[in-house]
Amino acid sequence: EDQVTQSPEALRLQEGESSSLNCSYTVSGLRGLFWYRQDPGKGPEFLFTLYSAGEEKEKERLKATLTKKESFLHITAPKPEDSATYLCAVQAPYSTLTFGKGTMLLVSP
Amino acid sequence: NAGVTQTPKFRVLKTGQSMTLLCAQDMNHEYMYWYRQDPGMGLRLIHYSVGEGTTAKGEVPDGYNVSRLKKQNFLLGLESAAPSQTSVYFCASSYVGEISSTDTQYFGPGTRLTVL
Repeated sequence: EDQVTQSPEALRLQEGESSSLNCSYTVSGLRGLFWYRQDPGKGPEFLFTLYSAGEEKEKERLKATLTKKESFLHITAPKPEDSATYLCAVQAPYSTLTFGKGTMLLVSP
Repeated sequence: NAGVTQTPKFRVLKTGQSMTLLCAQDMNHEYMYWYRQDPGMGLRLIHYSVGEGTTAKGEVPDGYNVSRLKKQNFLLGLESAAPSQTSVYFCASSYVGEISSTDTQYFGPGTRLTVL
């Protein structure tokens, strides 16, 4: 059974204080690992797909990395508008997505 | 493009009542999904469809039915609502081209359902 564990459950940062979110996974053959951002009262918004260990992708202050067991979402010099819940999901071949429970990020000015 | 839209945005039901949630997408996606999201549980897949006229069960299908009569629409029905079905429901869609490709899903804004 595919499993995704995200840590920490919640993270509070000061504006400009860089940090990382973790997504640990077990899957029978990884087809893709996905990161989503979810604002309160809204649907998840797609951020990145990573396909293989060693791959990295960046978008503004966010950088996602992937190893064979986990993925990190690095947030560099965050701003209050980066506050959201970040969701990680994995996909095995011929399977639907398995989501983690998310990390709630709060960035204070 | 509107992307994925959901109707209604909010609904309150009494136990035993029925209702249908409508999801529509204008991206010509083949696959569509219904999830529920509960505090501390994350997103859980209810049912999904890999094309017009097809449906399949997800992780938590009991108490729900679905239909995909048109490619752009995916309906989620509750025949006899229960308080345990109080949740936020999200629809998603994805384009899966080659059989080996990944399944980037795009989500709607959600329907907040309360069953009293």
